[in-house]
Amino acid sequence: SYELTQPPSVSVSPGQTASITCSGDKLGNKYACWYQQKPGQSPLLVIYQDTKRPSGIPERFSGSNSGNTATLTISGTQAMDEADYYCQAWDSSTVVFGGGTKLTVL
Amino acid sequence: QVQLVQSGAEVKKPGASVKVSCKASGYSLTRYAMQWVRQAPGQRLEWMGWINAGNGNTKYSQKFQGRVTITRDTSASTAYMELSSLRSEDTAVYYCARDDPTTVTRHFDYWGQGTLVTVSS
Repeated sequence: SYELTQPPSVSVSPGQTASITCSGDKLGNKYACWYQQKPGQSPLLVIYQDTKRPSGIPERFSGSNSGNTATLTISGTQAMDEADYYCQAWDSSTVVFGGGTKLTVL
Repeated sequence: QVQLVQSGAEVKKPGASVKVSCKASGYSLTRYAMQWVRQAPGQRLEWMGWINAGNGNTKYSQKFQGRVTITRDTSASTAYMELSSLRSEDTAVYYCARDDPTTVTRHFDYWGQGTLVTVSS
């Protein structure tokens, strides 16, 4: 079955750029999206169709997807961005989530 | 505005079944699909299956095939997820999420608040 691999954790200093990767076989041939989840909350869509931001998501969130890797980039990271981030893609009509990455802003 | 409101927390014994509801408002249920995702305590998101609320077609994760049933009641604008033969490992928060099945870029743009299901003897 298809798998998406994320680093368990990423740390970033406030104001710096955070990059979270998501790897899967030929992932660049699929559409990737990203969800942010804060403790005790439901996931929130932050990037879809590889690069698009839903209404209300700050411009500091951006995405890319090429080859075997999709990347979520947060520019000028703020303390409020500390959360778990999950990538997601479709494979043969089934949904696949990455294992999640805990972003720590310190 | 779009809202997905789920039913309340449940406590079930091993071997029992649980049925979680997800009431949609602010849009037409039948124009979208409804996904079900669960998350065990401290664990990753885990996809369970989805229903095309327009035609009722379903697709389930192989992991849950045979134990999960997703249905919808269009008159009530509500989707349901029933999980049977519960075991302790099924203790989790269960989420519904909206998805547009007509797009190629399918993603989950609205989520319910989650329903905690606890399986304990």
